[in-house]
Amino acid sequence: DAKTTQPTSMDCAEGRAANLPCNHSTISGNEYVYWYRQIHSQGPQYIIHGLKNNETNEMASLIITEDRKSSTLILPHATLRDTAVYYCIVRASNDYKLSFGAGTTVTVRA
Amino acid sequence: DTGVSQDPRHKITKRGQNVTFRCDPISEHNRLYWYRQTLGQGPEFLTYFQNEAQLEKSRLLSDRFSAERPKGSFSTLEIQRTEQGDSAMYLCASSKGGTQETQYFGPGTRLLVL
Repeated sequence: DAKTTQPTSMDCAEGRAANLPCNHSTISGNEYVYWYRQIHSQGPQYIIHGLKNNETNEMASLIITEDRKSSTLILPHATLRDTAVYYCIVRASNDYKLSFGAGTTVTVRA
Repeated sequence: DTGVSQDPRHKITKRGQNVTFRCDPISEHNRLYWYRQTLGQGPEFLTYFQNEAQLEKSRLLSDRFSAERPKGSFSTLEIQRTEQGDSAMYLCASSKGGTQETQYFGPGTRLLVL
């Protein structure tokens, strides 16, 4: 059963911030939110993860709402190379596998 | 580059043949995972190793599939008597484990069964 809901697709302009939403309304207290992306014909690439605090790394920022029922991945300055399928995944701390949904196909346009 | 590597990257075989794929994880990672991805879908979990022990197998892993990790380092995934429905991308990932473990994926092996 899918634990997350993401839009099927979205477009964004090169150089602008891309905000990717994810709903996870049934998330439990010990479940982390992970984001991966998959560029065409490549393996998934880890982006970022978080539990309840906002997180930032060199690739992106993750904003998690206070009730933890939704989150947003922010790519601060999208480039054409950011065109990919983005997966939002909820994983319990004592679970080992990642359960991927269909993800959001993000197209960055010049 | 010290990432996860997979070999071969592409494999074309005829129905009924056996195929074997190899995965070399990141060197200090003790967990290794196999996933399968069909066209237009997200990856699906197949099986998982903690060192050399295979701890979980998905119901997707029929008895024609076998995976090994003999010395807790590299792993192989064998498919016997391949069927056209086995055509997919086979992905390997590795991690150090822990509550906040991060899995790092290899480039995948794309299998086409004719």
